[in-house]
Amino acid sequence: AQSVTQLGSHVSVSEGALVLLRCNYSSSVPPYLFWYVQYPNQGLQLLLKYTSAATLVKGINGFEAEFKKSETSFHLTKPSAHMSDAAEYFCAVSSGNTPLVFGKGTRLSVIA
Amino acid sequence: GAVVSQHPSWVICKSGTSVKIECRSLDFQATTMFWYRQFPKQSLMLMATSNEGSKATYEQGVEKDKFLINHASLTLSTLTVTSAHPEDSSFYICSARDPASLNTEAFFGQGTRLTVV
Repeated sequence: AQSVTQLGSHVSVSEGALVLLRCNYSSSVPPYLFWYVQYPNQGLQLLLKYTSAATLVKGINGFEAEFKKSETSFHLTKPSAHMSDAAEYFCAVSSGNTPLVFGKGTRLSVIA
Repeated sequence: GAVVSQHPSWVICKSGTSVKIECRSLDFQATTMFWYRQFPKQSLMLMATSNEGSKATYEQGVEKDKFLINHASLTLSTLTVTSAHPEDSSFYICSARDPASLNTEAFFGQGTRLTVV
């Protein structure tokens, strides 16, 4: 079975500050890992994904994440937060052809 | 990237009626689609896996007679909430994988906000 734990249901940062959203996973097989962003009443948009290639993955909107097998982590970072980054972020895991298993989500607030 | 279109984006219905939600893959063929339910301020919970030409696979605790899933073509899956009740009010989201992306990435529809009154 696979699972995802997102530490912190709500993260608040100042505009221009570093964004760090934490994700730890559990998987008995090599995982595929994803970060999605969701704006209110909308579907999910893929930010980035790890599929066993480079461990440092760059995504859209300046986000990146690093896969650390030893720590079973896939934390999402962005050097400088923008007001438009305020949204709900979900980390997810799958083993390729299986449905995505989502974490509980982290709401990011950006303070001006 | 591949596009998944979900319709309607929102619907209000009376208790006891049925509501159909459509999920279409616009530029790829999806042999498998997934239906999720999301409660306010919560994560996405997988309801069922929809397989083209065969019966859907439901997750434990999901009533298959209440949430009817049909995947009659490679580009369309439908979720019908039968005899809807207020507790069925939720945000429903479908997703599909594009085989060209080696089945790793799932594309999501815009979601459907269902309100049962």
